[in-house]
Amino acid sequence: DIQMTQSPSTLSAAVGDRVTITCRASQNIGYWLAWYQQKPGKAPKLVIYTASTLDIGVPSRFSGSGSGTEFTLTISSLQPDDFATYYCQQYKTYATFGQGTKVEIK
Amino acid sequence: QVTLKESGPALVKPTQTLTLTCTFSGFSLSTYGMRVSWIRQPPGKALEWLARIDWDNDKFYNTSLKTRLTISKGPSENQVVLRMTNMDPVDTATYYCARIQGGDYVFDFWGQGALVTVSS
Repeated sequence: DIQMTQSPSTLSAAVGDRVTITCRASQNIGYWLAWYQQKPGKAPKLVIYTASTLDIGVPSRFSGSGSGTEFTLTISSLQPDDFATYYCQQYKTYATFGQGTKVEIK
Repeated sequence: QVTLKESGPALVKPTQTLTLTCTFSGFSLSTYGMRVSWIRQPPGKALEWLARIDWDNDKFYNTSLKTRLTISKGPSENQVVLRMTNMDPVDTATYYCARIQGGDYVFDFWGQGALVTVSS
């Protein structure tokens, strides 16, 4: 099975900060990576797929990069609505999620 | 407008079988490329993919849970059912159904989730 590891587990940041979350795969997954945003008590929401493609309606301050085994999600200028937990997910073979990164207010 | 909603028991006893229904609208599971999956999330923990059913009735399961899971279409054409046997307290989680369009496992629309507690 493909394992996904995110870092950091928690990230404290202020509005306007540039934020980067890293996701590592235990084997080469090409570009088959998605990112989701989840707020407390809510279902996850798709943010990015194929490593760098923004889903419809996602603000351009979000961006994704990487391939193979290392990927990043960047928020260029953190907004109040962005405080949430972010999960990466590989879909090279079935689906596996990372353990999540909580972005909290500094 | 695509919507999905999970329904089923909030409480099941250990060893019982859980049956959850996903009722969706805004798309047809008969359309080429459409897929529906089940994903769960224990309280305070990460997401875990469980199963997938495709427009052509192909089915796929999490390898570690495969012997306990059954996914199927119906009873209505806008419903998908998940059965999980031999429930245990560690199966306590919020269970989500989600749509996949086109790509293999990119979940573009999710239900609100259904919390299932396993306890005697």
